Amino acid sequence: QQPVQSPQAVILREGEDAVINCSSSKALYSVHWYRQKHGEAPVFLMILLKGGEQKGHDKISASFNEKKQQSSLYLTASQLSYSGTYFCGTGGAQGGKLIFGQGTELSVKP
Amino acid sequence: DVKVTQSSRYLVKRTGEKVFLECVQDMDHENMFWYRQDPGLGLRLIYFSYDVKMKEKGDIPEGYSVSREKKERFSLILESASTNQTSMYLCASSSGGLDGYTFGSGTRLTVV
Repeated sequence: QQPVQSPQAVILREGEDAVINCSSSKALYSVHWYRQKHGEAPVFLMILLKGGEQKGHDKISASFNEKKQQSSLYLTASQLSYSGTYFCGTGGAQGGKLIFGQGTELSVKP
Repeated sequence: DVKVTQSSRYLVKRTGEKVFLECVQDMDHENMFWYRQDPGLGLRLIYFSYDVKMKEKGDIPEGYSVSREKKERFSLILESASTNQTSMYLCASSSGGLDGYTFGSGTRLTVV
């Protein structure tokens, strides 16, 4: 079952902050976050593992609540380059398949 | 620079044709995946493979098959293309570590 992302879309002004949420009905081992710009491939941003290990982009942070099976992506002081569609992908085992959410479209305006 | 290469960016095929989508990675990754992307539905997993000659069904395998004869190549096959298979197809590979998936640029397939 696909994880559910919220909001579906958000519009920001440069410099504003945003939070994108990802919620799963299944127990999670890992959560990935990707950004896809129009007409391009999704690009890996961050991975969070059960137990607290994580690796990712130096200007983007995220949290992983294992008990609630939820993750949130925090975009602070947004830049125009942050515009795109953000996907969370949830996995049940390290290196295993990911099931992606439906995406959150983020637009940053000048 | 690591790469996942999909053979065609755009493809137009007729209903009933057998269609081959090719994906090659140069990162020596064990794991390879095929997704289709449709507006409002996100990325849905069709098939994946953790090793040569190994394949497993994803969430929407009906109407598709795959082949992995070599580690670097993972092919998606539409046995008899139908109009509801018109979509963007994305191939990805991963090592299973902390570097996530690397996606190809996608093949936009139109079945007429």
